[in-house]
Amino acid sequence: DAGVTQSPTHLIKTRGQQVTLRCSPKSGHDTVSWYQQALGQGPQFIFQYYEEEERQRGNFPDRFSGHQFPNYSSELNVNALLLGDSALYLCASSLRRGSQPQHFGDGTRLSIL
Amino acid sequence: DAKTTQPPSMDCAEGRAANLPCNHSTISGNEYVYWYRQIHSQGPQYIIHGLKNNETNEMASLIITEDRKSSTLILPHATLRDTAVYYCIVRVISGSARQLTFGSGTQLTVLP
Repeated sequence: DAGVTQSPTHLIKTRGQQVTLRCSPKSGHDTVSWYQQALGQGPQFIFQYYEEEERQRGNFPDRFSGHQFPNYSSELNVNALLLGDSALYLCASSLRRGSQPQHFGDGTRLSIL
Repeated sequence: DAKTTQPPSMDCAEGRAANLPCNHSTISGNEYVYWYRQIHSQGPQYIIHGLKNNETNEMASLIITEDRKSSTLILPHATLRDTAVYYCIVRVISGSARQLTFGSGTQLTVLP
């Protein structure tokens, strides 16, 4: 049973560019959440998708957007990249209801030059 | 969600029990306590969660005090591979509030 998978594992971009990160949730999960983790800090919540709609959003600008597909997979898009966007981007999947935990992928390491 | 307080770092000898404390004095009745850990360069790994009863699984035990204001994660026989940052998170269970709010966590170092 595959867990949460993310691609690519590493990515290097320059300022002003745009990037798309991808996530496939754990089998049976219907909700995908995205987190940003700067070096030395805990993950920060970006947004969450359920039934192909953004359901909740953290304190991130509109440059960060996402999408969820009918098969529950998800994309995170970041436009007009800034140096400060360099971070580990984590995807977590879960079931919408109940107390069961979110399961995380190993993330995409994004470096902005 | 309630705020949690954890010590920034702890050491533990290999083979001994590691006891990681967490304070959540403002916890509400409908909030669960979750523990995750993050080994360097990997995503957070779920360990265990509970509401008010003590819980045990193959990885660890979770002891929640009777007033629910604090909890302890116990790794019964720590190994070098348990070296990681451990996060204690309190979260409301509802359809609209499922994000996890991570603090700084506790860096556990298991010493040989």
